Amino acid sequence: AIRMTQSPSSFSASTGDRVTITCRASQGISSYLAWYQQKPGKAPKLLIYAASTLLSGVPSRFSGSGSGTDFTLTISCLQSEDFATYYCQQYYSYPRTFGQGTKVEIK
Amino acid sequence: QVQLVESGGGVVQPGRSLRLSCAASGFTFTNYGMHWVRQAPGKGLEWVAVIWYDGNNKYFADSVKGRFTISRDNSKNTLYLQMNSLRAEDTALYFCARDTNTGGDAFDIWGPGTMVTVSS
Repeated sequence: AIRMTQSPSSFSASTGDRVTITCRASQGISSYLAWYQQKPGKAPKLLIYAASTLLSGVPSRFSGSGSGTDFTLTISCLQSEDFATYYCQQYYSYPRTFGQGTKVEIK
Repeated sequence: QVQLVESGGGVVQPGRSLRLSCAASGFTFTNYGMHWVRQAPGKGLEWVAVIWYDGNNKYFADSVKGRFTISRDNSKNTLYLQMNSLRAEDTALYFCARDTNTGGDAFDIWGPGTMVTVSS
């Protein structure tokens, strides 16, 4: 199975900050990568697919980049509603695998 | 609107069985692959299984292979997960999720989840 490793596991930030989360795959996955946001007690929400394509309705402050094994999720100007846990997921092969998650907390 | 709603969760003893259902509405169910994903309390997301739009392809996580089966009834717009030989480590919130395509893409719609607790 392809292992997905996110960093950092958690961090604190302030509203208005620019934040970046990284995701590394244990082998090349081309651009078959998605990013999800999850808030406590809620289902995950798809933000980005194909590494950099924003799902319709997702604010433009979210962006994704990368291909192969290294990927990033960037939030350009953190808003209060963005404090959540973020997961990357590869859909290059089965079994589908997620990163361990990155929790973004309020500083 | 586009919606998925899981049901069938509960408390079950180790070794017993449970069947989860996921009712879909607001979209053409037969056009999409469907997944089950679970999340143990306080832990991350773990993909469990997928069934393609036509039911002809199914894949499972190694952790459930041989114990869980996935099926769908396209006439009822419903997805199922049959869980046999349940273990304590199967305790989790189980989500169903829609594939953005026929079975090989990201998951764009999720249900709220149904909780399964395996305990004696």
